[in-house]
Amino acid sequence: DVKVTQSSRYLVKRTGEKVFLECVQDMDHENMFWYRQDPGLGLRLIYFSYDVKMKEKGDIPEGYSVSREKKERFSLILESASTNQTSMYLCASSFLQGVLGPPLHFGNGTRLTVT
Amino acid sequence: AQSVSQHNHHVILSEAASLELGCNYSYGGTVNLFWYVQYPGQHLQLLLKYFSGDPLVKGIKGFEAEFIKSKFSFNLRKPSVQWSDTAEYFCAVNTPINAGNNRKLIWGLGTSLAVNP
Repeated sequence: DVKVTQSSRYLVKRTGEKVFLECVQDMDHENMFWYRQDPGLGLRLIYFSYDVKMKEKGDIPEGYSVSREKKERFSLILESASTNQTSMYLCASSFLQGVLGPPLHFGNGTRLTVT
Repeated sequence: AQSVSQHNHHVILSEAASLELGCNYSYGGTVNLFWYVQYPGQHLQLLLKYFSGDPLVKGIKGFEAEFIKSKFSFNLRKPSVQWSDTAEYFCAVNTPINAGNNRKLIWGLGTSLAVNP
């Protein structure tokens, strides 16, 4: 069974701190994604990566960066955390398969609170 | 712009009631369609998917969905819900713009289902 592991379930940080959210998948998936989930706004894509050292901006990349140095690991970085980045962050992965893409496998999420 | 619309934001049902959650999308070409479920405190997981073939697809836990191309719809159904079906349900549509990397997976805003015992 595919496992996507996010390093922290809950995180509390102060405004201005640099924050690292880590995600590891164990199924050799090419694609990895970072979403944020907010009530009433659904899931919004922050960044995704389809290969090591490759990344593409999603719909809301401002204030975030990512790093993918190894295939299994995808890190989300909040350069200077702000209170509007308080949210649930979801990591997901999938195979690169076909034209339309296979289902995503999600981690349990990291609930980040910025005070 | 492409979009996915889930008509009901909050649904409350009693156990044994039938469920239908609406999902409509705006893209006119070939699509992959998904329903994901998020049980309280758990990760999002795939409930069912449609790629091609029989438009009536069966998923886990007795759920099914019907793809009606002419209506751009992919409604989720279950004949008799249980308390354990209490969860948030998300419809998602993938289009070929991204050539296989899920870049353009478009999500609905979700429907929160509460089933009373």
